[in-house]
Amino acid sequence: DADVTQTPRNRITKTGKRIMLECSQTKGHDRMYWYRQDPGLGLRLIYYSFDVKDINKGEISDGYSVSRQAQAKFSLSLESAIPNQTALYFCATSDFLGETQYFGPGTRLLVL
Amino acid sequence: RKEVEQDPGPFNVPEGATVAFNCTYSNSASQSFFWYRQDCRKEPKLLMSVYSSGNEDGRFTAQLNRASQYISLLIRDSKLSDSATYLCVVSALGAAGNKLTFGGGTRVLVKP
Repeated sequence: DADVTQTPRNRITKTGKRIMLECSQTKGHDRMYWYRQDPGLGLRLIYYSFDVKDINKGEISDGYSVSRQAQAKFSLSLESAIPNQTALYFCATSDFLGETQYFGPGTRLLVL
Repeated sequence: RKEVEQDPGPFNVPEGATVAFNCTYSNSASQSFFWYRQDCRKEPKLLMSVYSSGNEDGRFTAQLNRASQYISLLIRDSKLSDSATYLCVVSALGAAGNKLTFGGGTRVLVKP
């Protein structure tokens, strides 16, 4: 079984809708991250968490929110989706050093 | 200027040939360096860390040049299965611990 899972794997939504992307991990890591990937731009960090209830903004947090209610789960919400949030979203975990990251399979989001 | 820059490619490589490509980084305080591999529509996975003295892992050789602020990856005896995008990742110590910055990736296509 995969160590880091994401749901849904694909999602199509309309502008203005609220959606939530879920991430779960069985690696026992405290640190969890949300990235988005756009062609040619690499992965950009949205939010990260070092422990339950700990939330930190990444470089592109506007328009997103997260929740970390348990060590194994980290959810990403788009309060009011817009078309330029169309992207591939990855959740990742790491140990306390934070250097080697383990990624989930990704969620493809299309905002119409 | 991007913090981590890579030639997007694609590098078209005959099977069995050698291919090499670089990644430049702008933060001179960067401490750790990595190559990740990402297959089409899949999540990134750690390929190898890059050490100051250079290191090899089978057919893959990574080098670090701190003076010129670049890292390189060389693939010998290319296999069809080496076709992927290779992401350069640079780690620097920030206020909230290690911060990873991803390059946009270099696409490699190995052809028969």
